[in-house]
This record gives sequence, C-alpha cells and structure tokens, in this order.
Amino acid sequence: QVQLQESGPGLVKPSGTLSLTCAVSGGSISSSNWWSWVRQPPGKGLEWIGEIYHSGSTNYNPSLKSRVTISVDKSKNQFSLKLSSVTAADTAVYYCAREIIVVVPAAYINWFDPWGQGTLVTVSS
Amino acid sequence: SSELTQDPAVSVALGQTVRITCQGDSLRSYYASWYQQKPGQAPVLVIYGKNNRPSGIPDRFSGSSSGNTASLTITGAQAEDEADYYCNSRDSSGNHPLYVFGTGTKVTVL
Repeated sequence: QVQLQESGPGLVKPSGTLSLTCAVSGGSISSSNWWSWVRQPPGKGLEWIGEIYHSGSTNYNPSLKSRVTISVDKSKNQFSLKLSSVTAADTAVYYCAREIIVVVPAAYINWFDPWGQGTLVTVSS
Repeated sequence: SSELTQDPAVSVALGQTVRITCQGDSLRSYYASWYQQKPGQAPVLVIYGKNNRPSGIPDRFSGSSSGNTASLTITGAQAEDEADYYCNSRDSSGNHPLYVFGTGTKVTVL
C-alpha cells in the first residue's frame, strides 16, 4: 500500500524559497501515475499546485507557475516542491498526493489517493 | 480557469440523507472526485469516476452527475460523516491542463 510523507522546514522567511520533499513508500514513483502537490491555507480550501510524472514532465497551476518547480528523484523514490519569492499568503498546509488517471473511450477519470499527512509551512520573519 | 462552486454548509439529521452539489463548466467534460476532510487531517478520497468508492469507504456514499453539476449523496448519515467535503475535476480551459477543487461544503450531522 502506497504511503506518502512530506518533510521540510516549517518556517520560511518572506521572499525566500519554500522547499518540501515527499517520500513515497510501498510503491515505485516510476509507476504509471502522476504525483501532485496541493496546499490549504489555514481555514480555507484546497488549491492544486502542480504535478510531475517520473519522466520529469510537469504541469503547474497557472496562478503559481512563475514561482513553482516540481522535480523527481527516482533513486530516492521521492519528489520535491520549490516555491520561490514566498509571502505570508503562501502560509498553508502542503500535501503531496498520488494522482491516478484512467482514460477510457469518451471518459477521462482522475483522482488523488493516497495523500500525505500534510506539513504546515509558515512564512514569517 | 474554471471554478467549482459548492454550498458552504449543509446539515443533516442523524440517519437521514444529504446531497452535496458541485457546479462548474468543467463537469460537462470531466468526472468529479470527492474528498472528505476532518479537522486536522488530510483529505480522504470517497468517490471517483462515475460512482466508484475506494476500498474502506462505506456504501452510504454515492456519486452522480448531470450536466454541469456533480453530486455526492450520503444515505443514512452517521456522526462520523461530519466533515468538510471537496469536489475536484480536471480543467483544460487554458493552454495546459490543471485541476480545480471546489470551494468546500461543511456537513454537520445533527
């Protein structure tokens, strides 16, 4: 059973770079899945940040694209998130999740499962 | 990008049925998936595709879709179903695909 675990600094200074890693266990990051980052500001809803395939292909939320880099390290079975030029608005719980996609005739079906437990990152001086 | 709109809050009496809706243009093209989130916990997938439940999700949870609206129904709500619920779907309205989450619905079981 695949499990995900986020790790990284819980406090980042304004204008700095947020860096998080998601370790994948119980399965290979090179399987036919995409791997995503999702965040949730305190008391607010979920926001999809971006995704990566084991080949290194990425897709990003256009609202964050200029500041986001997602990378994969197949040797360590993990993927990472970097968010630059952070402000207080980037304070959130950051989750990593596996995305499963099934394409059948006339249907595109995707879902996120499982999710990591999440890690709170606070942007403050 | 598209938006997915949900009612902010709904309440349901213990053992009764509640329907949570999610509206958005992307739902005309893509299925929604649904996530349950309890305070301090990560989201948990409860419904995906046309009406599929992951292993371990009770059969009182079901999904449906019509036009630009996806629905999650809890038939015989239990106290442990009290949580926030989010829908999600793919949106390819821009140059690159992205995924959008709904605004979330807080379900209170009375």
